[in-house]
Amino acid sequence: EAQVTQNPRYLITVTGKKLTVTCSQNMNHEYMSWYRQDPGLGLRQIYYSMNVEVTDKGDVPEGYKVSRKEKRNFPLILESPSPNQTSLYFCASRRTSGIQETQYFGPGTRLLVL
Amino acid sequence: DQQVKQNSPSLSVQEGRISILNCDYTNSMFDYFLWYKKYPAEGPTFLISISSIKDKNEDGRFTVFLNKSAKHLSLHIVPSQPGDSAVYFCAAISYNNNDMRFGAGTRLTVKP
Repeated sequence: EAQVTQNPRYLITVTGKKLTVTCSQNMNHEYMSWYRQDPGLGLRQIYYSMNVEVTDKGDVPEGYKVSRKEKRNFPLILESPSPNQTSLYFCASRRTSGIQETQYFGPGTRLLVL
Repeated sequence: DQQVKQNSPSLSVQEGRISILNCDYTNSMFDYFLWYKKYPAEGPTFLISISSIKDKNEDGRFTVFLNKSAKHLSLHIVPSQPGDSAVYFCAAISYNNNDMRFGAGTRLTVKP
């Protein structure tokens, strides 16, 4: 079954405590990205990756890091989380070629930073 | 800089009637447009898409219309069903820079 998985699904942490949200896809997609969803703002892209070792900033990259050492994994790292990073996070993947640009999303990670 | 806008945060429709969700965009370089549906506690799922070279795409009860001159697209759901109640996101992608932009979403409620 084609899927994007994220862990953890829910996380409560405190300001300044480093955390990592993992993302993995089994579709051999080149492109992976992270979004955050906030009320009234929709989905905003944090970082994206066109392929292994190729990452770039999205619209709201401040306070986040990513890495792409393997094609299937794209972890999101918050080195020093702050309350304004409380949000719902989605990882996504898709191919970078072809007419059907279907993007698959993970189930989401709800993060609360106290 | 919101390049994709969904100006209606919510829409309520009676079961069996038509639901029309609207989306406007500002970037004429977008090549492809997509609609995603999102239920609570789940990630968005792909619903239907349309290339910028077309003006209509139909898939069962779902039809997407694109008006390039007005930079406007809409999703029609006919007939609407209670199971269609969800948040719908409009998205646009530019192949040139692989940039995918999302609207803020419209919450559709279909009443039995």
